[in-house]
Amino acid sequence: KNEVEQSPQNLTAQEGEFITINCSYSVGISALHWLQQHPGGGIVSLFMLSSGKKKHGRLIATINIQEKHSSLHITASHPRDSAVYICAGGSQGNLIFGKGTKLSVKP
Amino acid sequence: DADVTQTPRNRITKTGKRIMLECSQTKGHDRMYWYRQDPGLGLQLIYYSFDVKDINKGEISDGYSVSRQAQAKFSLSLESAIPNQTALYFCATSQQGVTQYFGPGTRLTVL
Repeated sequence: KNEVEQSPQNLTAQEGEFITINCSYSVGISALHWLQQHPGGGIVSLFMLSSGKKKHGRLIATINIQEKHSSLHITASHPRDSAVYICAGGSQGNLIFGKGTKLSVKP
Repeated sequence: DADVTQTPRNRITKTGKRIMLECSQTKGHDRMYWYRQDPGLGLQLIYYSFDVKDINKGEISDGYSVSRQAQAKFSLSLESAIPNQTALYFCATSQQGVTQYFGPGTRLTVL
């Protein structure tokens, strides 16, 4: 069993839909990261959180430390949100990554 | 200019060759990392460094070595490349308590 599990692996949505990607982890972590990998391969960090909730534009990330679970939400999804979303957990900079969720948003 | 740069961006080499991938950053971060990404496996940590005199192995360090020549430079070497080292390699930087910033990646093919 992977120490960081994401679901779903693939997700197709219509433009405007509310999207949720889930991440569960079994390791002790000091922070949980959400990353976005564009079709061209580049990786951008979206959030780093250790408790509660963070919001940036249409993106919201939440974490429940007791349940070892985090979610990434996208409101009013748009085709430009199509990418692979990766969660990673760790401490002292040593991150363990999930395999990613491939999101495709259709117009 | 990009904050984290990697050279080369693409490299095709033959089995047994020595290869060096280079990473430079202008963010002034102390921490630097090397990852590899294989289809379906996600990112895996190869080595990381918290400052110039600090080098730590990640989960897949076998077959790789690194050098932290300066705060801004972190190089990854494959002493004798083998085909299963064909992958996408990413360098990243961070400061303590801050998110990681990734380079654009190097696509390495070992024939």
